[in-house]
Amino acid sequence: RKEVEQDPGPFNVPEGATVAFNCTYSNSASQSFFWYRQDCRKEPKLLMSVYSSGNEDGRFTAQLNRASQYISLLIRDSKLSDSATYLCVVRRGKLIFGQGTELSVKP
Amino acid sequence: DAMVIQNPRYQVTQFGKPVTLSCSQTLNHNVMYWYQQKSSQAPKLLFHYYDKDFNNEADTPDNFQSRRPNTSFCFLDIRSPGLGDAAMYLCATSSGTSGSYEQYFGPGTRLTVT
Repeated sequence: RKEVEQDPGPFNVPEGATVAFNCTYSNSASQSFFWYRQDCRKEPKLLMSVYSSGNEDGRFTAQLNRASQYISLLIRDSKLSDSATYLCVVRRGKLIFGQGTELSVKP
Repeated sequence: DAMVIQNPRYQVTQFGKPVTLSCSQTLNHNVMYWYQQKSSQAPKLLFHYYDKDFNNEADTPDNFQSRRPNTSFCFLDIRSPGLGDAAMYLCATSSGTSGSYEQYFGPGTRLTVT
């Protein structure tokens, strides 16, 4: 079993849709949590950190449930430019990446 | 702009022919990382340097080596590339200070082995 597991993709949604990504992690010693975005054939870039209190950045909302070892990312009013692979990442000393969930937003 | 630079962006090498990938940074970060990412897979950490201290991941093959001659530069050497080593190689940096764990990635070098 992988230490960080994400929804298998791809997700194909129309513009304006709300889409939710789920992620679970297996090691309770994980210290910090992030969502990264990776465009096709490009490097990963930090989208947002994830806190237990939940945090929002514009159309993006991230949640962490430490008891369930579960992380989520919600994208509201999705745009064509949101098309990318979303990587769930935990820090346990080093960064451990999930496999990513591909999102494709269509007109 | 401060950044992480990788050269070359695309590298083709022959089976068994040594190859070196380079990474430089203008962020003055203490920590530099090398990741391997194969198609549709998660980035996999190979090793990292904290200043001059080298930290190898337990499952990184001996075929992969690294050098960090100074703060700004870090190299990945693949001594005898196999077909299975074809991948994107990502360099990343972080400041290494407590509370600041964000990693900044370079654009990657895509390695093809023929």
